[in-house]
Amino acid sequence: KAGVTQTPRYLIKTRGQQVTLSCSPISGHRSVSWYQQTPGQGLQFLFEYFSETQRNKGNFPGRFSGRQFSNSRSEMNVSTLELGDSALYLCASSWGGTGSDTEAFFGQGTRLTVV
Amino acid sequence: KQEVTQIPAALSVPEGENLVLNCSFTDSAIYNLQWFRQDPGKGLTSLLLIQSSQREQTSGRLNASLDKSSGRSTLYIAASQPGDSATYLCAVPNSGYSTLTFGKGTMLLVSP
Repeated sequence: KAGVTQTPRYLIKTRGQQVTLSCSPISGHRSVSWYQQTPGQGLQFLFEYFSETQRNKGNFPGRFSGRQFSNSRSEMNVSTLELGDSALYLCASSWGGTGSDTEAFFGQGTRLTVV
Repeated sequence: KQEVTQIPAALSVPEGENLVLNCSFTDSAIYNLQWFRQDPGKGLTSLLLIQSSQREQTSGRLNASLDKSSGRSTLYIAASQPGDSATYLCAVPNSGYSTLTFGKGTMLLVSP
């Protein structure tokens, strides 16, 4: 059974550019959540999509957006990149959602570096 | 607002020792608690999921316990090995908010 797949694994972007990250959840899982991890702030919730609908959004500026497709694959987009957006972006897949009683599985993450 | 605390923040032990990692949470109304392992620069690997109705869950050399009433969970690692070196995180779901709240983690180093 394939795990959660995130692409690309590494990205280097320049300030002001935009970036798109992709996440393919475990087959059959309808929920995809995105988290940002930095050394200072730890893991912070970005947003969750369930059956193509955004169910919840964390406290991040509007430059961070996402979507989910009918096959449950999800993308997140960051526009007008800032140096502070440099982080490890993690995607979590679960059947019922990461706020439910079902187990969450994470991908290997995308390391974004903004220069 | 749920808060999760992990103690200690870092732990260094010689190979072969048994050790305990601690996790506490402020809101006991949880569905479950999940323990993860994270290697440097990598994603999170799910180790154990304990449902609120369970007291313990075991996988190999790992044993996790949950005491909802006191807001505590422990992860017991038996006969530690250098390959166990990683950061261990615990997380609880926030009912109705589609999120997991994580602790800051315990960074474990097991020396040969």
